[in-house]
Amino acid sequence: DQQVKQNSPSLSVQEGRISILNCDYTNSMFDYFLWYKKYPAEGPTFLISISSIKDKNEDGRFTVFLNKSAKHLSLHIVPSQPGDSAVYFCAAGTDSWGKLQFGAGTQVVVTP
Amino acid sequence: NAGVTQTPKFQVLKTGQSMTLQCAQDMNHNSMYWYRQDPGMGLRLIYYSASEGTTDKGEVPNGYNVSRLNKREFSLRLESAAPSQTSVYFCASSEVGGLETQYFGPGTRLLVL
Repeated sequence: DQQVKQNSPSLSVQEGRISILNCDYTNSMFDYFLWYKKYPAEGPTFLISISSIKDKNEDGRFTVFLNKSAKHLSLHIVPSQPGDSAVYFCAAGTDSWGKLQFGAGTQVVVTP
Repeated sequence: NAGVTQTPKFQVLKTGQSMTLQCAQDMNHNSMYWYRQDPGMGLRLIYYSASEGTTDKGEVPNGYNVSRLNKREFSLRLESAAPSQTSVYFCASSEVGGLETQYFGPGTRLLVL
């Protein structure tokens, strides 16, 4: 039973435009959310996180928004660059459980 | 620092064969994890070790065993491989366990025929 869902398997965006990646979760106990980025033949690397006490966290070109009432988070990349072409995984967890559940990932392709 | 290393990078097994996937980290992390990645399924936790000497089951532990050999090393064993275990396996580590950043190895691609 997947508790973290990324319903868009792929996203194509032009260089310089905004990329918006979406993630939905079903477990209201989740209180910490992360985004990981993965290039082919490499392991995932941490990108940005947000705790449930916030609704926005920003790091350079990357911003994560959390809507707890809708159990929804999104990752905005502005502006998108060719090096952003990768698979992005959303992950969620609870302090009491101490482990993460991952979504299926969204493949982002940034075109020139 | 090499971070998290995994061996082998790629392996082909026949059904019923056994093998051990090796993982080591040089960041002095307490917690280590084994995940598998399958198309459309994301990363699923197989086993984890919160600290040296402890191991616990994750979401999909059936068909696997693990050993936390010391603080650095965490191995995953397939006793009798099945085609359903064809996957990419990732090892990860984190400083204390819990929700902070996990650092991943490059993965082992396993094909079971």
